Amino acid sequence: EAQVTQNPRYLITVTGKKLTVTCSQNMNHEYMSWYRQDPGLGLRQIYYSMNVEVTDKGDVPEGYKVSRKEKRNFPLILESPSPNQTSLYFCASSPARGTIYFGEGSWLTVV
Amino acid sequence: AQSVTQLGSHVSVSEGALVLLRCNYSSSVPPYLFWYVQYPNQGLQLLLKYTSAATLVKGINGFEAEFKKSETSFHLTKPSAHMSDAAEYFCAVSKGSNDYKLSFGAGTTVTVRA
Repeated sequence: EAQVTQNPRYLITVTGKKLTVTCSQNMNHEYMSWYRQDPGLGLRQIYYSMNVEVTDKGDVPEGYKVSRKEKRNFPLILESPSPNQTSLYFCASSPARGTIYFGEGSWLTVV
Repeated sequence: AQSVTQLGSHVSVSEGALVLLRCNYSSSVPPYLFWYVQYPNQGLQLLLKYTSAATLVKGINGFEAEFKKSETSFHLTKPSAHMSDAAEYFCAVSKGSNDYKLSFGAGTTVTVRA
């Protein structure tokens, strides 16, 4: 089954404690992205990757890092989380010229 | 840069009534336009997309949308609402055929009254 898998789905953490949200897709897609969803703001792109070792900033990259060492994985790293990064995060993937597939989301709370 | 405005953050319709969700876009290049639906506690699912072919686009679950360049609009409609249509709907725009960089609207929550 084609899917985008994110982990963890739910996490409560403390300010400053580094965390990683993993994302894996099994469709051999070139493109992968991270979005955050906040009430009244819709989804905003954090980072995207067009292929292995190729990443670029989206609209709200501050406070986040990503890496793309393998085609299937695109982890999102919060080096020093802050409360304003409390949000619902979505990973997405797509082939070139294809439809985006979204993961089920990761609820992150930073206290 | 492209952007999307969805008019109305909440829409309430009766079961069997017309669903109309409004989306206006701005883009410096001919846009690609999308509607996504998000059911509670789930990710986003593509309803339909416009990619410069036919201006009237039919999607899944009986939804359709019409691209009107003169009005810079891409409104989503469904003739008869069903209880299962209760969800949040997002309009999105990209600059080209690659979907990987989307700009989303703020979303419209649809509730369906019995």
